[in-house]
Amino acid sequence: GNSVTQMEGPVTLSEEAFLTINCTYTATGYPSLFWYVQYPGEGLQLLLKATKADDKGSNKGFEATYRKETTSFHLEKGSVQVSDSAVYFCALSAYTGTASKLTFGTGTRLQVTL
Amino acid sequence: GAVVSQHPSWVICKSGTSVKIECRSLDFQATTMFWYRQFPKQSLMLMATSNEGSKATYEQGVEKDKFLINHASLTLSTLTVTSAHPEDSSFYICSARRWGEGSEQYFGPGTRLTVT
Repeated sequence: GNSVTQMEGPVTLSEEAFLTINCTYTATGYPSLFWYVQYPGEGLQLLLKATKADDKGSNKGFEATYRKETTSFHLEKGSVQVSDSAVYFCALSAYTGTASKLTFGTGTRLQVTL
Repeated sequence: GAVVSQHPSWVICKSGTSVKIECRSLDFQATTMFWYRQFPKQSLMLMATSNEGSKATYEQGVEKDKFLINHASLTLSTLTVTSAHPEDSSFYICSARRWGEGSEQYFGPGTRLTVT
């Protein structure tokens, strides 16, 4: 079956530090890949996505590249801010024959300090 | 935007009672809605997929008689946890897919259920 593995948190960084959150996946076929962010007390929001190999998703300074050869979709940001503190979920979407469903990783909590 | 709301945001109920959670798409019509369960420090687990006007499709291992899902309109889906027990305590999250947008889902803020 499909699965997503992402690094365990929490990740604690100082403001302006470089961020990498690793994500690897296992899937049959050609899944779409997503990063969702969940701020405290809020629902999941789509941060970025990529639908095919070598695509780069980007938003709000975050980037992730769909690497089919390494089955990875690592999230990066060059300079984090305190406001980036949240839980980040890597996910894939694959058609199962009846519907397109999301499979999530366990989430990585990011804490950014001044 | 594409806003999804859930009500209530948290609920405490006694063991043996039933509780209903509502999921609404506020500014779009949702052809498909999803219900997830999230345990502390764990991933979201898909419980069921519902399409407006038809029966929900449950994931393997999810008891359909215990978790009743109704998708009566294009903007409302409900999850009823029947005869709740403490092990049903969890964070329940719904999401909705807008027609024509492929695989993207819009998530509600979640409902914290505590069964005493």
